[in-house]
Order: sequence, then structure tokens, then C-alpha cells
Amino acid sequence: RKEVEQDPGPFNVPEGATVAFNCTYSNSASQSFFWYRQDCRKEPKLLMSVYSSGNEDGRFTAQLNRASQYISLLIRDSKLSDSATYLCVVNHQNTGFQKLVFGTGTRLLVSP
Amino acid sequence: DTGVSQNPRHKITKRGQNVTFRCDPISEHNRLYWYRQTLGQGPEFLTYFQNEAQLEKSRLLSDRFSAERPKGSFSTLEIQRTEQGDSAMYLCASSLLTSGRGNEQFFGPGTRLTVL
Repeated sequence: RKEVEQDPGPFNVPEGATVAFNCTYSNSASQSFFWYRQDCRKEPKLLMSVYSSGNEDGRFTAQLNRASQYISLLIRDSKLSDSATYLCVVNHQNTGFQKLVFGTGTRLLVSP
Repeated sequence: DTGVSQNPRHKITKRGQNVTFRCDPISEHNRLYWYRQTLGQGPEFLTYFQNEAQLEKSRLLSDRFSAERPKGSFSTLEIQRTEQGDSAMYLCASSLLTSGRGNEQFFGPGTRLTVL
């Protein structure tokens, strides 16, 4: 079983739609959580951190359920420019450094 | 450009050859990471430096792989006797050790290795 599991998609949605991605992680000792965005043939870039209380950044909302070891990302009012792969990432705070563990990513395609 | 830079961006080599990649982190960042990403997968952690000290290595990093960060600034990743299974994108990231929340890792554009 992978440490971080995501549905690879692709999710095909029209502009303006709301789309949600889910992610589960297996290591209950994971300390912090992130969503990264990766465009085709580009490097991953931090989209947002995920906090226990849930957090929102514009059209993006992230939530964490530690009991279920589940992370979600909601995108409202999808734009064409949101088309990318969204990587769920957890941090194993081991020996004081950040070892990021990435999921395989969920691919989003937003169409006109 | 003050981001993380990597060279070369692409490398094609024949099986059995040695290759070396370079990463220049963001200048004030004291932590540097190497990851490997294959098609359809997320990046996988390879190794980590704090300043010049290599503090963690993944079991993915076989004896053919070696990484250095001699002066705590740029880093090199060398692969000896390359195999076709080494074909991947090699990503470097850097971060700044702080006491607060965050420690965001910033990624470079990667070096795409193709082993023929």
C-alpha cells in the first residue's frame, strides 16, 4: 500500500464547475500536509498548506481529517488555467527534517 | 532569477556511462533535497542536506548514486554506470530552516535523464 494515495483521474470538468480531490495517507505520525500543483513537464509548486481547522485561499479550500487520515482539496469556479496535476503531500517529521511524501497526483482537465 | 536552478535541463546518455547533475538552491536556503520523478508518479525523496552535511538517504539511493554539497551551497548528484531504469526527472528543492510553520520547499525545473 502506498503511503499517500490519490485517484489519478483525469477529472474532466467544464469551466465554472466545482471539483473535489481526495487523498488518504497511511502514516498516522504525519505532521503536516500540503497540496502541490504540477503543470505538464514543470516542477511542483506549493498550492497551499493544509491545517487541521481547514483553510481557504480564494477558490481553493483544503481540509484535513486526522482521525480518518484523509485530506481534500475543493476548487470552486474552475478556470482553464487550473488544468494541472494536483499532488497530495505529507511530511514525516523524522529526525527534524522535512521528508515530503508525494501521492501520484490527480490530473485535472478544465474545458471551455 | 533567484529561484532554484538545475543543470543540465536534459541529459541523454548510453547505459553504463556516468552522469552528473548540478543544483543551485535559493541563496539563503540551508536545506537542499533531491527527488526523482518517473512518469505518472509523484516525486520520490532521495537525499537531504543541511548545509554541507548529508543527513538522510533513501534506500532508493543505490551505491551507484552519490550526492555532495561541498560548501553548503550548490549540490551535485552523480549516477555511475547508468541503467535504463535510472531514466527519470531528477528534481532538486531547497528550503530555509526556520522555527515557525512552513519550511516550504521550492523546486527547481529538474534534469530529465534518458538512458538509452
